[in-house]
Amino acid sequence: GAGVSQSPSNKVTEKGKDVELRCDPISGHTALYWYRQSLGQGLEFLIYFQGNSAPDKSGLPSDRFSAERTGGSVSTLTIQRTQQEDSAVYLCASSLTSGIANTGELFFGEGSRLTVL
Amino acid sequence: AQSVAQPEDQVNVAEGNPLTVKCTYSVSGNPYLFWYVQYPNRGLQFLLKYITGDNLVKGSYGFEAEFNKSQTSFHLKKPSALVSDSALYFCAVRDLVNDMRFGAGTRLTVKP
Repeated sequence: GAGVSQSPSNKVTEKGKDVELRCDPISGHTALYWYRQSLGQGLEFLIYFQGNSAPDKSGLPSDRFSAERTGGSVSTLTIQRTQQEDSAVYLCASSLTSGIANTGELFFGEGSRLTVL
Repeated sequence: AQSVAQPEDQVNVAEGNPLTVKCTYSVSGNPYLFWYVQYPNRGLQFLLKYITGDNLVKGSYGFEAEFNKSQTSFHLKKPSALVSDSALYFCAVRDLVNDMRFGAGTRLTVKP
């Protein structure tokens, strides 16, 4: 597709269940980011993938959160044993890099809204 | 690590008046600075960026921003605000190789 695609757009789950959120970045974009946005608030960095390098996981809030990126394209963010405080919009973004210079702007998906009951 | 501060949670202006949304940054090395806008229930959209060159950069929808190295600032401006500019605005920074970090956001309200 032309833009970053995220699914599902909305997910309601019960406390303690596992959820998977998917991000399909723009074709050719080597950098992929996950952010979390609580209601009307700022963006909390979660994880960053750049090409074949080891991901920067420094923003993941707990070991219940994990993410992978297969084949340098699609990424899945997994939240295990969900808690009510995990409720938020999870935003994925991708960008184009040139060599070592990472000057490209991010292109965001519409987000996945997670509600944990 | 790189960081961004947006000192104002809320900015209110009257339609037709100039607007400024403030941003200051901290980064080791040369900064790459960005502004994004978020309309209700939507993802973020890129407005403009500073990488190098002219300190005044122009972007989408008539917005511009001025890079000031001595004050480590990158304030967003528009000469004449529109009601349709009302949204949440985010400043962001990265350095050469690290990830992009965002400010807390500033809610702009333009009143008719």
